This record gives sequence, C-alpha cells and structure tokens, in this order.
Amino acid sequence: QSVLTQPPSVSAAPGQKVTISCSGSSSNIGNNYISWYQQLPGTAPKLLIYENNHRPSGIPDRISGSKSGTSGTLGITGLQTGDEADYYCATWDNRLSAVVFGGGTKLTVL
Amino acid sequence: EVQLVESGGGLVQPGRSLRLSCAASGFTFDDYAMHWVRQAPGKGLEWVSGISLNSGIIGYADSVKGRFIISRDNAKNSLYLQMNSLRPEDTAFYYCAKESQRLVSFQFDPWGQGTLVTVSS
Repeated sequence: QSVLTQPPSVSAAPGQKVTISCSGSSSNIGNNYISWYQQLPGTAPKLLIYENNHRPSGIPDRISGSKSGTSGTLGITGLQTGDEADYYCATWDNRLSAVVFGGGTKLTVL
Repeated sequence: EVQLVESGGGLVQPGRSLRLSCAASGFTFDDYAMHWVRQAPGKGLEWVSGISLNSGIIGYADSVKGRFIISRDNAKNSLYLQMNSLRPEDTAFYYCAKESQRLVSFQFDPWGQGTLVTVSS
C-alpha cells in the first residue's frame, strides 16, 4: 500500500487529454513539492514535472502539473502513442522522513 | 551530458552482502545530493537512501535501515550502496539518481539505467 494514491490505469484516444491524480496528506503533499516521473517500458524513470508545476528543459508544454491542498494532478494533452508509459508521483514525507512514491499509473493510448 | 552508470548487481544468496557503485559524469558531483531508488520487477518505485553533497546528512527507508549503508567519494565522482543481510524482498532494479537542483528538494534528474540485484538461494 503506497503512501500516495494514484489510479492504477487511465486511457484515452490519440490527440485527447488525460489527467492522473495523486492523493496524499498534510505530512507529504500538503507541505512539500510534488514531482512526476515517466517510465517507458524497459527504461529508467524520467523527470517530467518538478516543484508541482515546472517542466525541465526538453519536456513539451503539453505536459503540465498542478497541486491543490493534499493532492496533485499530472495533465497530458495531445496524447501520442509514445506517451504510453507508467507515471509516478513523488514527494517528501515529513512524518516518515523519507521520499514516498505513488503506486504508479499505467497510461494506455487507445 | 550528465551520465550515471550503476554497476555491482547480480545474484546473491540471502544473508550475504553486495556493494553497488554509481559512476557520475557530466556535472560537478560534489554540488549535488544523490539517491538510490529501487524497483522490484513489475512493481513500483521505492526510495532507498539519500546522501547530502558532503555526506553530512544521510537518510534511509525503514525497510533497509540498519542493513544498507550509502556513501560517496567526491574525488572519484562515485556513489555507493553497501547492502548487508540481504533478503529475497530486496530483489529489485537499483537506480542511482541525482538531485535535480543544488538545493535538496528530493526531486531526481536524471536516473541511471539501473542494476539488477537478485537475492535467492
């Protein structure tokens, strides 16, 4: 059971938009930054969003992040088949004194 | 280009030890905190341990505390993970990851390609 809760899977058609939620508590998301990672099949995770809503260089602006209270959301517009991957949220947990990850969400582009 | 290359994984019996290494290049190694994150086959990500740029602050997940030791050698641009008293549940890909910014924020960019540790008799 992960400290951060994500839906196990989401799906949408090419060109459409999808959102992935990440729910936590005041000991983690409520008082710390969220980051989001994309893991393509057979590869290492890659940072997509840092500090809730910032994109590293090279990440397209169809990728977005937001945070409200104890939850965060990753948004992807203009879906492409190449976006099919597992997506993870992460943050620091003040009570556990550890980085915690969501269980991951598998995105399928139909 | 920033590169992180892990090594040292393999098959090990329960109760034995293994030492992982991560060779870093393409950035000023001693300007950044570093971390180890693992992923059991087919499962999600789990933070294992982190170390500050001068080794003054170290943290561990409860699941490895007392068994694993993280260290770094800034002169060699290298990060290490000494894993003792290994258990079957430690079987995973182990990734080395760099802090995304000089200020510690527990956000990782980039990650190495990972090294597989299999604990089995």
